Amino acid sequence: AIQLTQSPSSLSASVGDRVTITCRASQGISSALAWYQQKPGKAPKLLIYDASSLESGVPSRFSGSGSGTDFTLTISSLQPEDFATYYCQQFNSYPALTFGGGTKVEIK
Amino acid sequence: EVQLVESGGGLVQPGRSLRLSCAASGFTFDDYAMHWVRQAPGKGLEWVSGISWNSGSIGYADSVKGRFTISRDNAKNSLYLQMNSLRAEDMALYYCAKDKAAGILGYFDYWGQGTLVTVSS
Repeated sequence: AIQLTQSPSSLSASVGDRVTITCRASQGISSALAWYQQKPGKAPKLLIYDASSLESGVPSRFSGSGSGTDFTLTISSLQPEDFATYYCQQFNSYPALTFGGGTKVEIK
Repeated sequence: EVQLVESGGGLVQPGRSLRLSCAASGFTFDDYAMHWVRQAPGKGLEWVSGISWNSGSIGYADSVKGRFTISRDNAKNSLYLQMNSLRAEDMALYYCAKDKAAGILGYFDYWGQGTLVTVSS
């Protein structure tokens, strides 16, 4: 199965900071990557699909990039409501869909 | 408004069975593939199983293959997960999730709030 490694596993940032989370795949997955945001006690929310397409209703401060094995999620200006855990997920190798281990974004 | 409401979770002994259900509303259910994704307490997300709009394509994670069965009833706008031979490692919050396509694209644009499965003697 394709493994996804997210880094860092956690980070502390301030409101207004630019935040970048990376996701590395163990083998090439083209652009078959999605990003989700999960807040405590809530279901995940789709942010980005096809590596760089913004899901409808998601603020434009979120962006995704990359292809092949290396991907990034960027939050251009961190807002209070963005403190959460973020997961990448690959859908290149169905039925072996896999998620990264998560990155927890905390308030500095 | 899209709504996915899971039910059927609970406390079950190792080796026993449980059937989860997901009631869907707010969209044309038989136009989309559906999935189950789980999250063990304090852990990350794990895809469990997916089914295309017409049940023609079904997939399972290796960890549940041969023990879990996914199905859907388009007339009832419902998704199911029959879980047999449950193990301690199956204990998790089980989410029902909608695919963005009819066939299985493999990513999830709507999620339910989950139903908790506890496996313990």
